[in-house]
Amino acid sequence: SQKIEQNSEALNIQEGKTATLTCNYTNYSPAYLQWYRQDPGRGPVFLLLIRENEKEKRKERLKVTFDTTLKQSLFHITASQPADSATYLCALGGNAGNMLTFGGGTRLMVKP
Amino acid sequence: SAVISQKPSRDICQRGTSLTIQCQVDSQVTMMFWYRQQPGQSLTLIATANQGSEATYESGFVIDKFPISRPNLTFSTLTVSNMSPEDSSIYLCSVELNGDGYTFGSGTRLTVV
Repeated sequence: SQKIEQNSEALNIQEGKTATLTCNYTNYSPAYLQWYRQDPGRGPVFLLLIRENEKEKRKERLKVTFDTTLKQSLFHITASQPADSATYLCALGGNAGNMLTFGGGTRLMVKP
Repeated sequence: SAVISQKPSRDICQRGTSLTIQCQVDSQVTMMFWYRQQPGQSLTLIATANQGSEATYESGFVIDKFPISRPNLTFSTLTVSNMSPEDSSIYLCSVELNGDGYTFGSGTRLTVV
């Protein structure tokens, strides 16, 4: 069966360091992968989309990689700030209409 | 990106009753998506709502329990029927514009007592 795995344990890092979050998937051939940020009590907010033919994408302090051989995406936040503390979700799509399938999310805590 | 107004933001309901959640989008969109997020869990797609046709439900979700309306290209409702405590969850609507990321409503936090 299809499975999307994100580290369920919270990631604690020091302000200024680079945070790296992992998204692994099995039994899936997505056309694209997306990353979202979700704060408590809020809906997810779109951050980045990377397509199957792209290896890397950047937006300001964010960088996403997509390895379709390893079936893995890495999400990096450089020069992390306490305001980056949130839950980050990966989502795969492009196989069945416009449907997105979400991973369980990883909670990031950036300490000052 | 689109702006979605979702209401109510939260509600506490008695078991056996029904709640209708509304989503209004500031742009015309072909498809709207309804998700459920149970406490501490990720998002699970309930159904996809197209204007002018019946919604398409994912495995484990049925129309009798979660009827959906889509009367026009900017509006949709999801009803949670005959509620039980297991229906306590956050319900979210979502749309995609321009093929680059989805916009979500702020969610409806439902507690069934």
